[in-house]
Amino acid sequence: KAGVTQTPRYLIKTRGQQVTLSCSPISGHRSVSWYQQTPGQGLQFLFEYFSETQRNKGNFPGRFSGRQFSNSRSEMNVSTLELGDSALYLCASSSTARGTEAFFGQGTRLTVV
Amino acid sequence: TQLLEQSPQFLSIQEGENLTVYCNSSSVFSSLQWYRQEPGEGPVLLVTVVTGGEVKKLKRLTFQFGDARKDSSLHITAAQPGDTGLYLCAGDPWDSNYQLIWGAGTKLIIKP
Repeated sequence: KAGVTQTPRYLIKTRGQQVTLSCSPISGHRSVSWYQQTPGQGLQFLFEYFSETQRNKGNFPGRFSGRQFSNSRSEMNVSTLELGDSALYLCASSSTARGTEAFFGQGTRLTVV
Repeated sequence: TQLLEQSPQFLSIQEGENLTVYCNSSSVFSSLQWYRQEPGEGPVLLVTVVTGGEVKKLKRLTFQFGDARKDSSLHITAAQPGDTGLYLCAGDPWDSNYQLIWGAGTKLIIKP
């Protein structure tokens, strides 16, 4: 069974640009969550989707958005990039209705210059 | 605000020693998970504990869920360099937010 796949693995963007990150969950998993991880802040919750519905959103500005497709694949978008957006972005999928027991992808390392 | 406090934040010990990592909260969780993360990779689920007082073993790792389901511990016996990593705990608060509550992590280094 394939794991969670995130693309791309690495990305370098310039301030002001926008970026789209992709996540393919484990087959059959309907819950997908996104996290931002920086060295000093740990895992910060961005949002969670279940069957194409956003069930919860973390405390991030509106520049951060996401969506989930009917095949459970998910994308997150960050517009007007800032230097502080540089981080490891992690996607996790779960087979449970509550999104627990998360299986993570390898992440996308975003660097904003 | 629900919080999970992990301690210690950082631990560096010699190979062969024992150690315990703690995850504490004032909130009750319906379940709690432990993950290990290596640099540049996503966290990997190690175990889920559900019942108060539950003890689970994974080779040299022993996980315990507190009787009141507010805290958990991870004990490693005879630590090895391969145990090096960031250990994270995450709790399910059983509310309507569908959001795991995460500890800040314990960075563990095992020196050969």
